[in-house]
Amino acid sequence: EVQLLESGGDLEQPGGSLRLSCAASGFTFSSYAIYWVRQAPGKGLEWVSGIGGSGGTTYYADSVKGRFTISRDNSKNTVTLQMNSLRADDTAVYYCARRFCSSSSCYVVIPSAFDVWGQGTMVTVSS
Amino acid sequence: EIVLTQSPATLSLSPGERATLSCRASQSVSSYLAWYQQKPGQAPRLLISDASTRATGIPARFSGSGSGTDFTLTISSLEPEDFAVYYCQQRSNWPLTFGGGTKVEIK
Repeated sequence: EVQLLESGGDLEQPGGSLRLSCAASGFTFSSYAIYWVRQAPGKGLEWVSGIGGSGGTTYYADSVKGRFTISRDNSKNTVTLQMNSLRADDTAVYYCARRFCSSSSCYVVIPSAFDVWGQGTMVTVSS
Repeated sequence: EIVLTQSPATLSLSPGERATLSCRASQSVSSYLAWYQQKPGQAPRLLISDASTRATGIPARFSGSGSGTDFTLTISSLEPEDFAVYYCQQRSNWPLTFGGGTKVEIK
């Protein structure tokens, strides 16, 4: 079964750091770009970041650029989102999602839809 | 940044009725628009990619249409499990953006 599983969400103080992980199974992990999308409580969806299959290309939303870093370890089938200088408006459920792809170049991180999502992990930033 | 505006915000309908949801983009996204369904406490589920292509396993009662700036998601006959929030998302340009959502609720 194709699956993504997030972990690492927690309660953190403003200015603090958290590290989220996304563990993949059921597909050739290195062949797919992976993205993070977040959802503040009671709000809509917001794209956060994306990374290519090799880890060499990354993209970020302006709201997190310079504070968040996405990376991946293909030997462990995991993607990590390092979140620094956390703010109250970072409070959200964070989902990792796989690039929807019907071609052979699914590892390229491009603007994409998402066909597989994790269940999400909650990040709360509050003093 | 491309802004996606969904309307209406809430749609109150009965099972068996037809639902028509709209998504308007602030500039052309060609056909690079997706639709998702989200139920409470769950992750979004991809319904439609590239404006009109149903994702794997999505029932035929869901259909998408449009191009450029105006898009529509139609549910031909609502089933009880279709009452949820629906989001559109563009993949034309960075940053990826989503609409604010339409809640389809039971009348």
